[in-house]
Amino acid sequence: DADVTQTPRNRITKTGKRIMLECSQTKGHDRMYWYRQDPGLGLRLIYYSFDVKDINKGEISDGYSVSRQAQAKFSLSLESAIPNQTALYFCATSDPIRDRDLTGELFFGEGSRLTVL
Amino acid sequence: DQQVKQNSPSLSVQEGRISILNCDYTNSMFDYFLWYKKYPAEGPTFLISISSIKDKNEDGRFTVFLNKSAKHLSLHIVPSQPGDSAVYFCAALRTGTYKYIFGTGTRLKVLA
Repeated sequence: DADVTQTPRNRITKTGKRIMLECSQTKGHDRMYWYRQDPGLGLRLIYYSFDVKDINKGEISDGYSVSRQAQAKFSLSLESAIPNQTALYFCATSDPIRDRDLTGELFFGEGSRLTVL
Repeated sequence: DQQVKQNSPSLSVQEGRISILNCDYTNSMFDYFLWYKKYPAEGPTFLISISSIKDKNEDGRFTVFLNKSAKHLSLHIVPSQPGDSAVYFCAALRTGTYKYIFGTGTRLKVLA
């Protein structure tokens, strides 16, 4: 089983609909992230969370909201989807970079492809 | 305002030769850098990282070089293999913030 699981993997919806993308992790990490990938724009940070009480905006948070329901769960919502939110969305988790033996890497899920018509 | 830039969208290299992928950053507060590889229909996977206290880090065929004065890092893959064909992203952050900023990616194609 994957350490970082995203649902749904694919979703097609219409403009104006509310959409929720869910992420759960079994790595025990406190830090969780949502990114979107667009051709030519790379991976852009939407929101990130350090624990259930700490939510931070990323580079492109407008039009999105998040909920950290538990240490292991972090969901991304589009309250009223629009076509330019069509993208591949990734959830990720990280461990701290305190220990020199830890790389401080992000661990990504497999992605959720969202199409807004 | 793109803080992390990968100016080459694509790169083709012959199998067995060296692949060099470049990344530039503008924020002098960044002090930790990572490279990721991404295959189609999969999430990005970690390759190698480097702290700003170093200028080089090696892991097998992969070496990352950091030039702080130029705000530039590069990933060298030697020798390149067809399985290395993927999109490569560099990322940067200021340790303590845990806010990872990614570049736009470079698509590497290794020709057999």
